[in-house]
Amino acid sequence: QVQLQESGPRLLRPSETLSLRCTVSGASIRSNSWSWIRQPPGKGLEWIGYISNRGATNFNPSLKSRVTISVDSSRRQFSLRLTSVIAADTAVYYCARDMPTRSDYFDPSGNFVPSGFDYWGQGTLVTVPP
Amino acid sequence: QSVLTQPPSVSEAPRQRVTISCSGSNSNIGNNAVSWYQHLPGKAPKLLIYYDDLRPSGISDRFSGSKSGTSASLAISGLQSEDEADYYCAAWDDRLIAYVFGPGTKVTVL
Repeated sequence: QVQLQESGPRLLRPSETLSLRCTVSGASIRSNSWSWIRQPPGKGLEWIGYISNRGATNFNPSLKSRVTISVDSSRRQFSLRLTSVIAADTAVYYCARDMPTRSDYFDPSGNFVPSGFDYWGQGTLVTVPP
Repeated sequence: QSVLTQPPSVSEAPRQRVTISCSGSNSNIGNNAVSWYQHLPGKAPKLLIYYDDLRPSGISDRFSGSKSGTSASLAISGLQSEDEADYYCAAWDDRLIAYVFGPGTKVTVL
């Protein structure tokens, strides 16, 4: 059974760096692709970015300048780092696995295209007061 | 503002069928596979449909997906009270180089 669990500080001050980790069990962290998704209070889901099974990353253009996603295989974790947080970064943050399929798909520019997120963490609320 | 468009809400009586639309463009739905997610309050989203019309293992066949051109649909048949949730479509956007979610549709069982 694949399980994902987010961890990290839940209360930040403006301008600080958000750092979350997602611990994976029941699946190989190296052979899968992983994403972070968030949901601000009262709003919809927003994709933050991914790290593919080949180590490639892509990020939401609105967050690209502030986001880093990395994998620590030895700890079976992947991490999200979001710098210079503001109140608008207050959200429930989810980590998720891209559903493995028979073959990976890439867009015309060669970017890995997620097939869909089949396992999710329970989510963690991160608050940045105004 | 999402590049995918969904109705804010739909409602139907129990045991009936409801359809949720998702409209996009050639850079997303027209050129890439669509996924659908069910999101219950306080829970993690659940993948219902991937690759336009495929169901992951364990997903009820009451849920079905379809796509034509730059639009996709999720149908829920035999509506049950437990189906009350927010439903999101999603797809990769070649122009934005990003995975985009629709704004979500709230399904209410009357």
